Amino acid sequence: EIVLTQSPATLSLSPGERATLSCRASQSISSYLAWYQQKPGQAPRLLIYDASIRATGIPARFSGSGSGTDFTLTISSLEPEDFAIYYCQQRSDPITFGQGTRLEIK
Amino acid sequence: QVQLVHSGTEVKKPGASVKVSCKASGYTFTMFYIHWVRQAPGQGLEWMGMINPSGGSTTYAQKFQGRVTMTRDTSTSTVYMELTSLRSEDTAVYYCARSTTSFDYWGQGTLVTVSS
Repeated sequence: EIVLTQSPATLSLSPGERATLSCRASQSISSYLAWYQQKPGQAPRLLIYDASIRATGIPARFSGSGSGTDFTLTISSLEPEDFAIYYCQQRSDPITFGQGTRLEIK
Repeated sequence: QVQLVHSGTEVKKPGASVKVSCKASGYTFTMFYIHWVRQAPGQGLEWMGMINPSGGSTTYAQKFQGRVTMTRDTSTSTVYMELTSLRSEDTAVYYCARSTTSFDYWGQGTLVTVSS
């Protein structure tokens, strides 16, 4: 099973700042990584797939990068609605998720 | 528009079974796999398995082998997830999600509470 480790566990930033979230895989997963945003009481929402492709309707301030074992989700300038929990996910069987990064308002 | 609509909240006793449904609409049902992901209160996301609505083949996470069954009804574009021998640790929101290379659409989830 491929383990995904996200860091930091919690990130405290202010609106307008840049957020950088990390996801590290226990073995190479090529570019087969997705990022999701989840707000309280809601289902996760797909942001990025195949490491760097924005899903439909996702604002350009969200970007993804990386390949192999190290991946990054960047939010260039935080909006108030971006404060949420972010998960990465890889698609090799069995599918696994990272434990999440909580992005909170400073 | 693509929609995945879950059945309602369930409360079960330990040892019982639960069957959750997820009705798909807005796309060709047989063209996309459906996965089940659960989330215990305050915890992260856990993949349970998937079903191919076209032929009905399934793949389950090892953790749930022997306790979970995923089925589909193509006449109603509905997938089902049955979990048996419930215990308190199975208390969670259960989501269905459509997959392409990732989970592009999710249902709203079904809360299953296991309590004596």
